[in-house]
Amino acid sequence: TQLLEQSPQFLSIQEGENLTVYCNSSSVFSSLQWYRQEPGEGPVLLVTVVTGGEVKKLKRLTFQFGDARKDSSLHITAAQPGDTGLYLCADIGSNDYKLSFGAGTTVTVRA
Amino acid sequence: NAGVMQNPRHLVRRRGQEARLRCSPMKGHSHVYWYRQLPEEGLKFMVYLQKENIIDESGMPKERFSAEFPKEGPSILRIQQVVRGDSAAYFCASSRGRGRGNIQYFGAGTRLSVL
Repeated sequence: TQLLEQSPQFLSIQEGENLTVYCNSSSVFSSLQWYRQEPGEGPVLLVTVVTGGEVKKLKRLTFQFGDARKDSSLHITAAQPGDTGLYLCADIGSNDYKLSFGAGTTVTVRA
Repeated sequence: NAGVMQNPRHLVRRRGQEARLRCSPMKGHSHVYWYRQLPEEGLKFMVYLQKENIIDESGMPKERFSAEFPKEGPSILRIQQVVRGDSAAYFCASSRGRGRGNIQYFGAGTRLSVL
């Protein structure tokens, strides 16, 4: 059974600061996805990465996928209060539909 | 263009009662997935359905839980004789097809509290 570990569990920063959250897997990812979940809502897909070493940028968010496809990071530049939420990583799995999620990193950006 | 609709948003049940959670997928989506989120845990896959068929129920407890996705109407996740350990947020997702190119869109969830 694949285990996804996310760190840190909680992160609180001031508006304008940068932050990085991490996702590590006990086995190679089939296809890694990052989600953001706001309180009282469902997860919303941010990005999908498939190729080892891949880097994707989404405005102030930068996603990196490790060469060995067992780890990933999400970096946010100049964080804003609107970035507050629970950031989840997930693997689509070999069957292409059963998402396995990490426990998430709760990010709080203070104004 | 409505997204995935779940209702109710909040549900309170006493131990031993039944809970029925409803999910209407996005328009044009025929694949539905149910996940459960316990406090400080990630979402856990429960079941995958495609119109009138259960494709994979490997994540669903063998007893008291059942799911259906009829030809007409929403998908239903049914929990009989609820216990306190069933308290969680239950999320439904839908996709147009199956496979990596088909994004799963999540609803806002149903928060079940068992007293």
